[in-house]
Amino acid sequence: QQQVKQSPQSLIVQKGGISIINCAYENTAFDYFPWYQQFPGKGPALLIAIRPDVSEKKEGRFTISFNKSAKQFSLHIMDSQPGDSATYFCAAPGAGGYQKVTFGTGTKLQVIP
Amino acid sequence: DVKVTQSSRYLVKRTGEKVFLECVQDMDHENMFWYRQDPGLGLRLIYFSYDVKMKEKGDIPEGYSVSREKKERFSLILESASTNQTSMYLCASSLLSDFRDYTAKNIQYFGAGTRLSVL
Repeated sequence: QQQVKQSPQSLIVQKGGISIINCAYENTAFDYFPWYQQFPGKGPALLIAIRPDVSEKKEGRFTISFNKSAKQFSLHIMDSQPGDSATYFCAAPGAGGYQKVTFGTGTKLQVIP
Repeated sequence: DVKVTQSSRYLVKRTGEKVFLECVQDMDHENMFWYRQDPGLGLRLIYFSYDVKMKEKGDIPEGYSVSREKKERFSLILESASTNQTSMYLCASSLLSDFRDYTAKNIQYFGAGTRLSVL
């Protein structure tokens, strides 16, 4: 069973600062790592995902990077805003098959003004 | 927009009751999923279905069963609810569930969740 370790569990960042969330996986057959964002009272929604042909992907203030040799990937939120306050989940495909992803344990981000 | 609707936002049941959680999606997606979300444990897959009447166990299927009689509807059943099944339950759907395909087809769309309390 795939394990995805996510850290930190919670994070408080000043407005305008950088939020960094890290994930580590054990094994995966496919290098595809999506990140989901969940606001209170809502289900998670895809934020950004990285494919194996790149080591970094940027969309606006959100950047994900991937280090295959270390089996780690991370999310950076630049110029963090109070509207970014949410829970973030990383995910990785399982090692044994291609149909499931395993989610990390989640990071609750609070951006304070 | 994809819409995944879960029939109840909050449910309170008693130990031993049979509980049905319903989920409907309106985008003709092939795949549907049931997760439970607990603090510190993230999202854990209970069951998923890749076609009508087809199902596969996820990581924590014990104590649960599922039913998919129609493509748009996926039900989670707790045969005899127990207090350790108190949790937030999330349903999701996706067009595809094949991570060899690195396209948007694999995006999972989630419902708003059902918070179940078993007393």
